[in-house]
Amino acid sequence: QPVLTQSSSASASLGSSVKLTCTLSSGHSDYSIAWHRQQPGKAPRHLMKVESSGSYNKQSGVPDRFSGSSSGAVRYLTISNLQSEDEADYYCETWDRKSLHVVFGGGTKLTVL
Amino acid sequence: QVQLVESGGGVVQPGTSLRLSCSASGFTFGYYAVHWVRQAPGKGLEWLGLASHDGTIQHYAISVRGRFTISRDNSKNTLYLRMDSLTYEDTAVYYCARNWDYVNDYWGQGTLVTVSS
Repeated sequence: QPVLTQSSSASASLGSSVKLTCTLSSGHSDYSIAWHRQQPGKAPRHLMKVESSGSYNKQSGVPDRFSGSSSGAVRYLTISNLQSEDEADYYCETWDRKSLHVVFGGGTKLTVL
Repeated sequence: QVQLVESGGGVVQPGTSLRLSCSASGFTFGYYAVHWVRQAPGKGLEWLGLASHDGTIQHYAISVRGRFTISRDNSKNTLYLRMDSLTYEDTAVYYCARNWDYVNDYWGQGTLVTVSS
């Protein structure tokens, strides 16, 4: 089944941009993924789905500051004009097409400096 | 608006059973698959399983297969998770999530299960 690899942590300054990565394991580079944000003490919130083509579909209400992209087996989440509320854990998620099981990445803890 | 509300969590002893509920509103529940996901303290998200839109199909993570059972009652807009033979490692916040187009697009607020003697 696919494995999703994320950096454990990232940091960027208030008002700047950051690009988070989610890497699909070998043989799964054509998979789409979903990005979720989990603010401290809260439930995860779905942000967007990113396709292997690089197109992405945002959840209603997600600010324009959030965008997605792809390159090979890597899926990206870019956050522009970082705000304090963006300090959170970010998880990527995908489906194993064979078993229909869901797989999560380990999550990236984003610190806004 | 779409809402999912989990309930049934609490403090239970090892070896016992517990049933969680996930009450849905704001959408046609019977059209969607729904998933259970948990998060142990300080850890990441762990997928547990799913029920298809009509409840006829369930899939489970290997880690809980045989101990956890997912069911749903579409007439009550409710999803269930029955957990048997609970261990300390089952201590976590349990979330239900609606699934559309292979994406868990709406999540509940979670319910905490603590396994403790």
